[in-house]
Amino acid sequence: ETGVTQSPTHLIKTRGQQVTLRCSSQSGHNTVSWYQQALGQGPQFIFQYYREEENGRGNFPPRFSGLQFPNYSSELNVNALELDDSALYLCASSLGGTSGNTDTQYFGPGTRLTVL
Amino acid sequence: SQQGEEDPQALSIQEGENATMNCSYKTSINNLQWYRQNSGRGLVHLILIRSNEREKHSGRLRVTLDTSKKSSSLLITASRAADTASYFCATVGGGGSRLTFGEGTQLTVNP
Repeated sequence: ETGVTQSPTHLIKTRGQQVTLRCSSQSGHNTVSWYQQALGQGPQFIFQYYREEENGRGNFPPRFSGLQFPNYSSELNVNALELDDSALYLCASSLGGTSGNTDTQYFGPGTRLTVL
Repeated sequence: SQQGEEDPQALSIQEGENATMNCSYKTSINNLQWYRQNSGRGLVHLILIRSNEREKHSGRLRVTLDTSKKSSSLLITASRAADTASYFCATVGGGGSRLTFGEGTQLTVNP
């Protein structure tokens, strides 16, 4: 167990709806990264938050947004859901920041999102 | 987009045999990491090798890195049925800490 938790475990939504996924980071970690993993593929980086500020973003449209709270937990919000958003969403926490290039990221179990 | 490719895409071996997985990447890196994933669940960090290192060991795992060829290999010795999982390499480059993953190798260890 990594100490990183995600909720909910599974979620079913319909096209056009909005969804919020949550992540609690490991104690003492100030950085949270979100990844999308489509079936049969490797995870793709969505964005990262460091001390409540966005600290890098992958190639995802603006309808993917996030927040990090003072306790370093985080939310991923996706608006106007599309069928292709169906995937496993993973969050990872680390003790990052400017010195982070050798940080180990600790992953949560993921949220399986299905868009119908 | 994915950083690189893993080879093979799938590997099936008998318990006790060694398993070797390869990873190639495209851009310069700070470090390369290997992760394991069981049945579409969360990723478990296995080992990290820095760009100035050539080989690293952790238990039954041996990782090599050849930055001139932009490639890495993961060797699992004396495999066990419990090693059955998907294995991903991920690179970290530039000034940040984002992970760029390959497509993964599905390893099946038959008892």
